[in-house]
Amino acid sequence: AQSVAQPEDQVNVAEGNPLTVKCTYSVSGNPYLFWYVQYPNRGLQFLLKYITGDNLVKGSYGFEAEFNKSQTSFHLKKPSALVSDSALYFCAVRDPTTGNTPLVFGKGTRLSVIA
Amino acid sequence: NAGVTQTPKFQVLKTGQSMTLQCAQDMNHNSMYWYRQDPGMGLRLIYYSASEGTTDKGEVPNGYNVSRLNKREFSLRLESAAPSQTSVYFCASSEGVRTDTQYFGPGTRLTVL
Repeated sequence: AQSVAQPEDQVNVAEGNPLTVKCTYSVSGNPYLFWYVQYPNRGLQFLLKYITGDNLVKGSYGFEAEFNKSQTSFHLKKPSALVSDSALYFCAVRDPTTGNTPLVFGKGTRLSVIA
Repeated sequence: NAGVTQTPKFQVLKTGQSMTLQCAQDMNHNSMYWYRQDPGMGLRLIYYSASEGTTDKGEVPNGYNVSRLNKREFSLRLESAAPSQTSVYFCASSEGVRTDTQYFGPGTRLTVL
């Protein structure tokens, strides 16, 4: 079975500081991993994904994530946080050995960037 | 392109009433999904349609039915609404289920009294 965990409900960071939003996963094979962002009263927006290849994935709005197979993690990072990055962030995973089953989403992490 | 559109944006129902949430996409995607979002529970899959003509249950299908009307449209029906179905409902679409990015609609906020 596939699962994903976001261990922090809330992350607070000062504007200009680096930010990290954590994600760990559990799958049988090599995972497909995604990050989405949700701004207030909006639907989810795609940020980045890892399917195969380079472990460091760059995405929208200056975000990046590193796939770490040994630690089964896919943490989202940004070198310098902006107040406008404040939002709800979701990690999602798919186990490609499970046929046509879709993504499983984590419970989300609320990021607050303080000016 | 409008992307994924959902109607209505807001709805209030009484317990036992029925309603249909509509979703349409103009990206020629094969796969479509219905999720519900509740505080502290994240995003949970209700039903999905991997391709036109197929539908499958997700994590929380009880109390819901779906129809993939054509390639563009995927509706979600509540036959007899219950307060536990108070939630925000999101529709999404993707080219395929396996590796493709999902694109989300703006959501429908449903309250069942």
